[in-house]
Amino acid sequence: DAEITQSPRHKITETGRQVTLACHQTWNHNNMFWYRQDLGHGLRLIHYSYGVQDTNKGEVSDGYSVSRSNTEDLPLTLESAASSQTSVYFCASSPGTREWQFFGPGTRLTVL
Amino acid sequence: GQSLEQPSEVTAVEGAIVQINCTYQTSGFYGLSWYQQHDGGAPTFLSYNALDGLEETGRFSSFLSRSDSYGYLLLQELQMKDSASYFCAVKDTGGFKTIFGAGTRLFVKA
Repeated sequence: DAEITQSPRHKITETGRQVTLACHQTWNHNNMFWYRQDLGHGLRLIHYSYGVQDTNKGEVSDGYSVSRSNTEDLPLTLESAASSQTSVYFCASSPGTREWQFFGPGTRLTVL
Repeated sequence: GQSLEQPSEVTAVEGAIVQINCTYQTSGFYGLSWYQQHDGGAPTFLSYNALDGLEETGRFSSFLSRSDSYGYLLLQELQMKDSASYFCAVKDTGGFKTIFGAGTRLFVKA
């Protein structure tokens, strides 16, 4: 069955370290998204991609970067982790012609 | 700016009907969708409205009034498993970006 996976599911890191969160989908969706979820803020868009080699900034992109080298993967990199980036991160995808998104299981990141 | 407003919490009794409202203010509008999220889980899609009116999917229905920038999610025959957070979301006409509300926590009591 097609799915969207994230790894790791839990990560603890130290301030200043570079961290990469993986997202992999097997639906062959063109559109992929990264969100962070914090209490009281719902889901906030970090970066998104419409296809291979395309990346765009969302509303909270500072300190994050993404790259899209193939259809299946959109890794999220925290260049220098900060305590303010402690959060739950969700990856999502959509085929582009439909109006909803499929979410991955999430990654809980703690920056100490 | 762009914003979506929905109540932070709603409590209802098992078997009852509950309505979760959502008002939005966005630069563009392409449709209103609803997602459910259980504690520790991922958001899952429930329904979508692009046109005015009511969409029904089993025990869940969703309504949209574009002229009022307003929609709601209606849950009927509430079950304990419906206790979760519910997010409304608007798709921006500028692309495929989706803007989410802060979520409504639904508590279903026996």
